[in-house]
Amino acid sequence: AQTVTQSQPEMSVQEAETVTLSCTYDTSESNYYLFWYKQPPSRQMILVIRQEAYKQQNATENRFSVNFQKAAKSFSLKISDSQLGDTAMYFCAFMKGWSGAGSYQLTFGKGTKLSVIP
Amino acid sequence: NAGVTQTPKFQVLKTGQSMTLQCAQDMNHNSMYWYRQDPGMGLRLIYYSASEGTTDKGEVPNGYNVSRLNKREFSLRLESAAPSQTSVYFCASLASTVNTEAFFGQGTRLTVV
Repeated sequence: AQTVTQSQPEMSVQEAETVTLSCTYDTSESNYYLFWYKQPPSRQMILVIRQEAYKQQNATENRFSVNFQKAAKSFSLKISDSQLGDTAMYFCAFMKGWSGAGSYQLTFGKGTKLSVIP
Repeated sequence: NAGVTQTPKFQVLKTGQSMTLQCAQDMNHNSMYWYRQDPGMGLRLIYYSASEGTTDKGEVPNGYNVSRLNKREFSLRLESAAPSQTSVYFCASLASTVNTEAFFGQGTRLTVV
């Protein structure tokens, strides 16, 4: 079974500063996908960014970017120019691609609570 | 476009009672999921259905059953509720590896007393 580990239960950052959230995962699969989801106090789950394992280039979405280190099984999220609206729980997630048993199983880490301080 | 709809939003059960949480998606997605969210534990996968006609256990399946009724609907049943099942439950759906964004329902807050 795949496991996803987020080692930082809580973090804080000053508004306009940059923060990096860590995520590591354990898998023997070669075909998989990685995600960062945001959950604000409203409880709604929102996709922030995704990365296909077969792509070497790190994904970026506006102020959000990832550092995908496939050999190290590391997938960190960098938030630049932090805004008050970035305050939320952030979850790292892993999904196995189409390859027999366990395909499309979507597994989440325990989350990192990020607070952006004015 | 309603997305993923969960019912009910809130529920209080007595220990030993049964109930079914309903989930429906209108996006023609292949895969559907049930999670529970507890403080400090993240989202833990209970059951999932990779495609219509299949269901598989996740990390915490004990005490739950699921039914993939059709492509749209995926229900979660608690046969004999226990206080340890007090949690917030989320249903999610996902199209395929072509479009890997998972869409979530609003959650169901379940309290077992």
